[in-house]
Amino acid sequence: QSALTQPRSVSGSPGQSVTISCTGTSSDVGRSYFVSWYRQHPGSAPELVIYDVNKRPSGIPGRFSGSKSVNTASLTISGLQAEDEAEYYCCSYAGSNTLIFGGGTTLTVL
Amino acid sequence: QLQLQESGPGLVRPSETLSLNCTVSGGSLMTSGYYWGWIRQPPGKGLEWIGSVYFNGNTQYSPSLKSRVSVSVDTSRKQFSLTLNSVTAADTAVYYCARRTLVGSTIDYWGQGTLVTVS
Repeated sequence: QSALTQPRSVSGSPGQSVTISCTGTSSDVGRSYFVSWYRQHPGSAPELVIYDVNKRPSGIPGRFSGSKSVNTASLTISGLQAEDEAEYYCCSYAGSNTLIFGGGTTLTVL
Repeated sequence: QLQLQESGPGLVRPSETLSLNCTVSGGSLMTSGYYWGWIRQPPGKGLEWIGSVYFNGNTQYSPSLKSRVSVSVDTSRKQFSLTLNSVTAADTAVYYCARRTLVGSTIDYWGQGTLVTVS
């Protein structure tokens, strides 16, 4: 069971949009609509920003959106702001009530 | 507001057993629809799901750790626990306790994390 594949880093200027991909297999990302995304600032615990592929928890702005196609899920952040700079992780249900995370993507706001 | 707090030794010797507790406040471990579990993060690296437990004691574990890990729950003490046997330096990490939904991959509440060093 290998970690889901995410790009090591992405970057964008304030106001722009960025998309972070998360590629798995038919055993995890491709098996269901149970993909979530987490934002982690240095020294802090992760925070849920997207669940069930494209749902936002309360308090997360509409600038955050998610999607999925076959074995790849994506997180898009539009209208980039300085506070969006963080590490982002995807997580997928992997069957038998187990979970698997992606390797993480560093988002830099230029 | 639900809060989770990890506790336990910050230093464990190689080959010994790592044991951590997570105390839940502001909510109940017996709330239906949620598992209680553990995730770890080695220094400078990504997140790794370890395992989780339901209030009735049902457990699920990462296949890569299944032979060494145990997660249990004590509803009377409002705690759930992690035990990891035969630790090595590779088990050095920040360990987070968390709540996840029964269905899906949603982890909606996290503890602040506790660093455990194997040395």
